[in-house]
Amino acid sequence: NAGVTQTPKFRVLKTGQSMTLLCAQDMNHEYMYWYRQDPGMGLRLIHYSVGEGTTAKGEVPDGYNVSRLKKQNFLLGLESAAPSQTSVYFCASSSARTGWAPREAFFGQGTRLTVV
Amino acid sequence: GQQVMQIPQYQHVQEGEDFTTYCNSSTTLSNIQWYKQRPGGHPVFLIQLVKSGEVKKQKRLTFQFGEAKKNSSLHITATQTTDVGTYFCAGPGQAGTALIFGKGTTLSVSS
Repeated sequence: NAGVTQTPKFRVLKTGQSMTLLCAQDMNHEYMYWYRQDPGMGLRLIHYSVGEGTTAKGEVPDGYNVSRLKKQNFLLGLESAAPSQTSVYFCASSSARTGWAPREAFFGQGTRLTVV
Repeated sequence: GQQVMQIPQYQHVQEGEDFTTYCNSSTTLSNIQWYKQRPGGHPVFLIQLVKSGEVKKQKRLTFQFGEAKKNSSLHITATQTTDVGTYFCAGPGQAGTALIFGKGTTLSVSS
C-alpha cells in the first residue's frame, strides 16, 4: 500500500525552465492538495482539488497550474520557474464527501526543488 | 480569507518538562486537526477534534478544542527526545473543503 507518492524527490531547475510535479494516491481519496513549505512559513496551500476534473486556488497560487484528469493523480506545473519557487513541495490527499470538510490528510514524502 | 495562527513559533525544553502550543482561527471551525512533522520528514496526522470543548488524550498528548471552536491547544506532558519536531494545527478553509495550516511550533528537547 503506497499511500501518496510524489515524483520526483529532488530537482534543480534553471530560471525560466518548466516542470511538472506528479502526485499519485492509491486510497481512492476525493480531495488532493499541493503545499509548499518554506522556513518559518509553515505549509501554504497552492492549489487543491475536491474531485476529478475540479481544481481551486489556495493561498499562494501565482506561478503554478494544476490538473486533476484522473482521480488518483494531481499534477502541479511550473511554467516558468523563478528562484522564489525554491521550496519543498508536499502533496496530500484526504477522504471526504464532496463539499464536506476534509478528514485526515495523508502526505507524500515531498519534492525538494531548487531554482537557480 | 481564513487564517490559522499558532504560537509559539519555537520552543526549547529540557527533557521531562511540559510543552504547550496554541492555535487560533479567525473564523469558527467545523473541526481542527493536528499534525507532527519530524525533521526531514513529512507531516503525519495526529488527531481531529470536532465538538465544542472536546478534549482528547493520546498517551502524554492532550488536545483541546475551544468552546467557541476558534481555538485549540496541544499539551505534551513530560517531554521526551522523541517528541522533537514541528507541530501543526489545520482547519477547513475556503468553503470548508481546503485544509489550511498554521505556521507550526517547532519543539526541541535537550536531555
